[in-house]
Amino acid sequence: DAKTTQPNSMESNEEEPVHLPCNHSTISGTDYIHWYRQLPSQGPEYVIHGLTSNVNNRMASLAIAEDRKSSTLILHRATLRDAAVYYCIPISSGSARQLTFGSGTQLTVLP
Amino acid sequence: ETGVTQSPTHLIKTRGQQVTLRCSSQSGHNTVSWYQQALGQGPQFIFQYYREEENGRGNFPPRFSGLQFPNYSSELNVNALELDDSALYLCASSLRLALGNEQFFGPGTRLTVL
Repeated sequence: DAKTTQPNSMESNEEEPVHLPCNHSTISGTDYIHWYRQLPSQGPEYVIHGLTSNVNNRMASLAIAEDRKSSTLILHRATLRDAAVYYCIPISSGSARQLTFGSGTQLTVLP
Repeated sequence: ETGVTQSPTHLIKTRGQQVTLRCSSQSGHNTVSWYQQALGQGPQFIFQYYREEENGRGNFPPRFSGLQFPNYSSELNVNALELDDSALYLCASSLRLALGNEQFFGPGTRLTVL
């Protein structure tokens, strides 16, 4: 599995954009990049995923570097409910395709 | 559409005992994965079941075992409990094994081993 590096923690003000970076320099060409987040006292929830091109959904945007060695999750307007641990997870083409969680980034949103 | 549910919510056991945790997958999902999350850490993959067969396993000893039933509900069994087994146990279901498919997590079972 590809190794990931994320900041331990980040802070954002409410209603401002947040850019959460992730380095995954050992990613293989067929690995998808998934992002999950875990709110306090809850199981993780899917946020977004991509392979090569940038992706948007109702929750966030995912910007993937051209060399695929890094990606950035973008929350366009942070709310207090977005306070969570965010995990960047490359998923390989192995049979189980399990999620390999790292330490993630603890996002704090300030009112 | 019913989400992933787990039971019980909390459980206290003593060292050496056995425990069974249960998971009900989201409707229509045929794959279930189990994860262990120690306090302050990210979840760690235990194993996965696809159509009632074990499809992959993480670095956990054989005393961690599982079952998936025809209705795609699942059980995680842990024998000879140790203090370090205290953790939040999460199950996640998904529709297929496609790389892009998201996994839907339940709220977890908090196991405390005394």
